[in-house]
Amino acid sequence: AQSVTQLDSQVPVFEEAPVELRCNYSSSVSVYLFWYVQYPNQGLQLLLKYLSGSTLVKGINGFEAEFNKSQTSFHLRKPSVHISDTAEYFCAVSDLGGGFKTIFGAGTRLFVKA
Amino acid sequence: SQTIHQWPATLVQPVGSPLSLECTVEGTSNPNLYWYRQAAGRGLQLLFYSVGIGQISSEVPQNLSASRPQDRQFILSSKKLLLSDSGFYLCAWSVEGSPQPQHFGDGTRLSIL
Repeated sequence: AQSVTQLDSQVPVFEEAPVELRCNYSSSVSVYLFWYVQYPNQGLQLLLKYLSGSTLVKGINGFEAEFNKSQTSFHLRKPSVHISDTAEYFCAVSDLGGGFKTIFGAGTRLFVKA
Repeated sequence: SQTIHQWPATLVQPVGSPLSLECTVEGTSNPNLYWYRQAAGRGLQLLFYSVGIGQISSEVPQNLSASRPQDRQFILSSKKLLLSDSGFYLCAWSVEGSPQPQHFGDGTRLSIL
Protein backbone atom coordinates (compact mmCIF):
# COMPACT_ATOMS: atom_id res chain seq x y z
CA ALA A 1 0.00 0.00 0.00
CA GLN A 2 1.10 3.51 -0.66
CA SER A 3 1.63 6.19 1.96
CA VAL A 4 2.81 9.77 2.04
CA THR A 5 4.58 11.51 4.92
CA GLN A 6 5.00 15.23 5.10
CA LEU A 7 7.65 15.67 7.71
CA ASP A 8 6.73 19.17 8.87
CA SER A 9 3.23 20.22 9.87
CA GLN A 10 4.20 23.91 9.92
CA VAL A 11 7.06 25.84 8.35
CA PRO A 12 7.52 29.50 9.29
CA VAL A 13 9.88 31.47 7.08
CA PHE A 14 10.72 35.11 6.45
CA GLU A 15 9.82 36.77 3.17
CA GLU A 16 12.45 36.40 0.42
CA ALA A 17 14.07 33.45 2.21
CA PRO A 18 14.31 30.04 0.55
CA VAL A 19 12.03 27.23 1.65
CA GLU A 20 11.90 23.46 1.36
CA LEU A 21 8.81 21.42 2.20
CA ARG A 22 9.64 17.78 2.69
CA CYS A 23 7.71 14.79 1.40
CA ASN A 24 8.53 11.10 1.57
CA TYR A 25 6.46 8.31 0.12
CA SER A 26 6.35 4.56 0.17
CA SER A 27 5.14 2.34 -2.62
CA SER A 28 6.01 -1.05 -3.98
CA VAL A 29 5.51 0.09 -7.57
CA SER A 30 6.40 3.07 -9.72
CA VAL A 31 4.49 6.20 -8.87
CA TYR A 32 3.27 9.57 -10.00
CA LEU A 33 3.93 12.40 -7.55
CA PHE A 34 2.18 15.72 -7.06
CA TRP A 35 2.20 18.89 -5.01
CA TYR A 36 -0.97 20.88 -4.43
CA VAL A 37 -1.51 24.24 -2.73
CA GLN A 38 -4.61 25.22 -0.77
CA TYR A 39 -5.36 28.81 0.14
CA PRO A 40 -7.77 29.46 3.05
CA ASN A 41 -11.32 28.27 2.43
CA GLN A 42 -10.55 27.18 -1.11
CA GLY A 43 -10.03 23.95 -2.96
CA LEU A 44 -6.66 22.58 -3.95
CA GLN A 45 -4.67 23.78 -6.92
CA LEU A 46 -2.11 21.60 -8.67
CA LEU A 47 1.37 23.13 -8.32
CA LEU A 48 3.40 20.54 -10.20
CA LYS A 49 3.60 16.86 -11.00
CA TYR A 50 6.15 14.20 -11.75
CA LEU A 51 5.04 11.51 -14.18
CA SER A 52 8.31 10.48 -15.81
CA GLY A 53 11.47 11.89 -17.33
CA SER A 54 13.53 14.62 -15.70
CA THR A 55 13.59 14.32 -11.93
CA LEU A 56 13.52 18.10 -11.48
CA VAL A 57 10.03 19.37 -12.06
CA LYS A 58 9.12 23.03 -12.34
CA GLY A 59 5.66 24.24 -11.43
CA ILE A 60 3.66 27.41 -11.09
CA ASN A 61 4.50 30.37 -8.84
CA GLY A 62 8.24 29.66 -8.97
CA PHE A 63 8.06 26.31 -7.17
CA GLU A 64 10.05 23.24 -8.14
CA ALA A 65 10.41 19.73 -6.79
CA GLU A 66 12.94 16.96 -7.21
CA PHE A 67 12.08 13.30 -7.40
CA ASN A 68 14.64 11.14 -5.63
CA LYS A 69 13.85 7.49 -6.19
CA SER A 70 16.58 6.11 -3.92
CA GLN A 71 15.39 8.24 -1.01
CA THR A 72 11.71 7.97 -1.99
CA SER A 73 11.37 11.72 -1.62
CA PHE A 74 9.74 14.54 -3.54
CA HIS A 75 10.67 17.75 -1.73
CA LEU A 76 9.20 21.07 -2.80
CA ARG A 77 11.43 24.14 -2.99
CA LYS A 78 11.26 27.81 -3.74
CA PRO A 79 14.37 30.05 -3.72
CA SER A 80 12.56 33.17 -2.49
CA VAL A 81 9.10 33.17 -0.94
CA HIS A 82 6.48 35.91 -0.85
CA ILE A 83 3.80 36.70 1.68
CA SER A 84 1.27 35.44 -0.85
CA ASP A 85 2.82 31.95 -0.66
CA THR A 86 1.30 31.51 2.79
CA ALA A 87 -0.95 28.47 2.37
CA GLU A 88 -1.19 24.75 3.04
CA TYR A 89 0.77 22.46 0.75
CA PHE A 90 -0.09 18.84 0.10
CA CYS A 91 2.09 16.13 -1.35
CA ALA A 92 0.28 13.28 -3.09
CA VAL A 93 1.14 9.99 -4.77
CA SER A 94 -0.64 7.58 -7.04
CA ASP A 95 0.81 4.39 -8.41
CA LEU A 96 0.81 3.67 -12.10
CA GLY A 97 -1.85 1.03 -11.76
CA GLY A 98 -3.86 2.66 -9.00
CA GLY A 99 -6.03 4.75 -11.25
CA PHE A 100 -7.91 7.13 -9.08
CA LYS A 101 -6.61 6.27 -5.64
CA THR A 102 -4.35 9.24 -5.13
CA ILE A 103 -3.07 9.33 -1.55
CA PHE A 104 -2.52 12.72 0.07
CA GLY A 105 -0.17 13.68 2.87
CA ALA A 106 -1.43 15.49 5.96
CA GLY A 107 -0.24 18.84 4.65
CA THR A 108 2.38 21.42 5.58
CA ARG A 109 1.33 24.90 6.53
CA LEU A 110 3.76 27.45 5.11
CA PHE A 111 3.65 30.75 6.97
CA VAL A 112 5.64 33.58 5.39
CA LYS A 113 6.46 36.45 7.71
CA ALA A 114 7.37 40.00 6.72
CA SER B 1 -12.55 26.88 -20.32
CA GLN B 2 -13.46 24.32 -17.72
CA THR B 3 -15.02 25.30 -14.41
CA ILE B 4 -16.21 23.41 -11.37
CA HIS B 5 -18.99 24.61 -9.11
CA GLN B 6 -19.65 23.26 -5.66
CA TRP B 7 -22.40 24.35 -3.29
CA PRO B 8 -23.26 25.33 -0.70
CA ALA B 9 -20.04 26.91 0.61
CA THR B 10 -21.04 26.38 4.24
CA LEU B 11 -23.71 24.27 5.84
CA VAL B 12 -24.81 23.74 9.42
CA GLN B 13 -26.99 20.70 10.00
CA PRO B 14 -28.36 18.92 13.08
CA VAL B 15 -27.42 15.33 13.84
CA GLY B 16 -29.75 12.91 12.10
CA SER B 17 -30.73 15.28 9.30
CA PRO B 18 -30.22 14.45 5.61
CA LEU B 19 -27.50 15.89 3.40
CA SER B 20 -27.14 16.78 -0.25
CA LEU B 21 -24.04 18.47 -1.64
CA GLU B 22 -23.90 19.17 -5.34
CA CYS B 23 -21.01 19.56 -7.74
CA THR B 24 -21.12 20.39 -11.44
CA VAL B 25 -18.39 20.67 -14.02
CA GLU B 26 -18.59 22.75 -17.17
CA GLY B 27 -16.49 22.87 -20.31
CA THR B 28 -15.53 19.21 -20.50
CA SER B 29 -17.21 15.89 -21.16
CA ASN B 30 -16.93 12.50 -19.48
CA PRO B 31 -14.72 13.73 -16.65
CA ASN B 32 -13.62 11.59 -13.76
CA LEU B 33 -15.31 12.98 -10.66
CA TYR B 34 -14.24 12.74 -7.01
CA TRP B 35 -15.52 13.54 -3.54
CA TYR B 36 -12.92 14.09 -0.82
CA ARG B 37 -13.22 14.95 2.86
CA GLN B 38 -10.56 16.99 4.61
CA ALA B 39 -10.32 16.88 8.39
CA ALA B 40 -8.27 19.42 10.31
CA GLY B 41 -4.57 18.48 10.39
CA ARG B 42 -5.08 15.56 8.08
CA GLY B 43 -4.80 15.03 4.37
CA LEU B 44 -7.60 14.48 1.96
CA GLN B 45 -9.56 11.27 2.24
CA LEU B 46 -11.07 9.98 -0.97
CA LEU B 47 -14.72 9.12 -0.39
CA PHE B 48 -16.06 8.35 -3.87
CA TYR B 49 -14.99 8.51 -7.46
CA SER B 50 -16.86 8.09 -10.71
CA VAL B 51 -15.71 7.38 -14.26
CA GLY B 52 -19.13 7.76 -15.85
CA ILE B 53 -22.86 8.23 -15.37
CA GLY B 54 -24.19 5.86 -12.74
CA GLN B 55 -20.70 4.45 -12.04
CA ILE B 56 -19.68 5.08 -8.44
CA SER B 57 -16.82 3.55 -6.50
CA SER B 58 -16.75 3.90 -2.74
CA GLU B 59 -13.45 4.05 -0.93
CA VAL B 60 -14.60 4.31 2.67
CA PRO B 61 -17.68 2.53 4.03
CA GLN B 62 -19.80 4.99 5.99
CA ASN B 63 -23.21 6.58 6.01
CA LEU B 64 -22.51 8.70 2.95
CA SER B 65 -23.43 7.90 -0.63
CA ALA B 66 -22.77 9.46 -4.01
CA SER B 67 -24.66 9.60 -7.27
CA ARG B 68 -23.91 10.78 -10.79
CA PRO B 69 -27.24 11.37 -12.51
CA GLN B 70 -25.68 13.34 -15.38
CA ASP B 71 -22.26 13.35 -17.02
CA ARG B 72 -21.07 16.47 -15.24
CA GLN B 73 -23.04 16.31 -12.02
CA PHE B 74 -21.87 14.60 -8.85
CA ILE B 75 -23.94 14.54 -5.67
CA LEU B 76 -22.89 13.57 -2.14
CA SER B 77 -25.73 12.50 0.14
CA SER B 78 -26.59 11.13 3.52
CA LYS B 79 -29.90 10.01 4.99
CA LYS B 80 -28.86 10.69 8.60
CA LEU B 81 -25.83 12.77 9.48
CA LEU B 82 -23.49 11.91 12.34
CA LEU B 83 -21.31 14.27 14.36
CA SER B 84 -18.29 12.63 12.78
CA ASP B 85 -19.45 13.79 9.34
CA SER B 86 -18.30 17.31 10.11
CA GLY B 87 -15.50 18.48 7.86
CA PHE B 88 -14.51 20.18 4.65
CA TYR B 89 -15.83 18.39 1.57
CA LEU B 90 -14.16 18.87 -1.77
CA CYS B 91 -15.34 17.91 -5.22
CA ALA B 92 -12.75 17.45 -7.93
CA TRP B 93 -12.50 16.36 -11.54
CA SER B 94 -9.90 15.16 -13.98
CA VAL B 95 -9.91 14.43 -17.69
CA GLU B 96 -10.83 10.91 -18.68
CA GLY B 97 -7.91 8.59 -18.02
CA SER B 98 -5.94 11.07 -15.91
CA PRO B 99 -4.14 9.51 -12.94
CA GLN B 100 -5.03 12.19 -10.42
CA PRO B 101 -7.62 14.89 -9.62
CA GLN B 102 -6.65 18.01 -11.50
CA HIS B 103 -9.18 20.63 -10.52
CA PHE B 104 -10.93 21.16 -7.22
CA GLY B 105 -14.03 23.06 -6.24
CA ASP B 106 -13.88 25.60 -3.44
CA GLY B 107 -15.29 23.15 -0.93
CA THR B 108 -18.21 22.93 1.47
CA ARG B 109 -17.61 23.36 5.18
CA LEU B 110 -20.10 21.12 6.92
CA SER B 111 -20.76 21.52 10.64
CA ILE B 112 -22.95 19.04 12.46
CA LEU B 113 -24.58 20.20 15.69
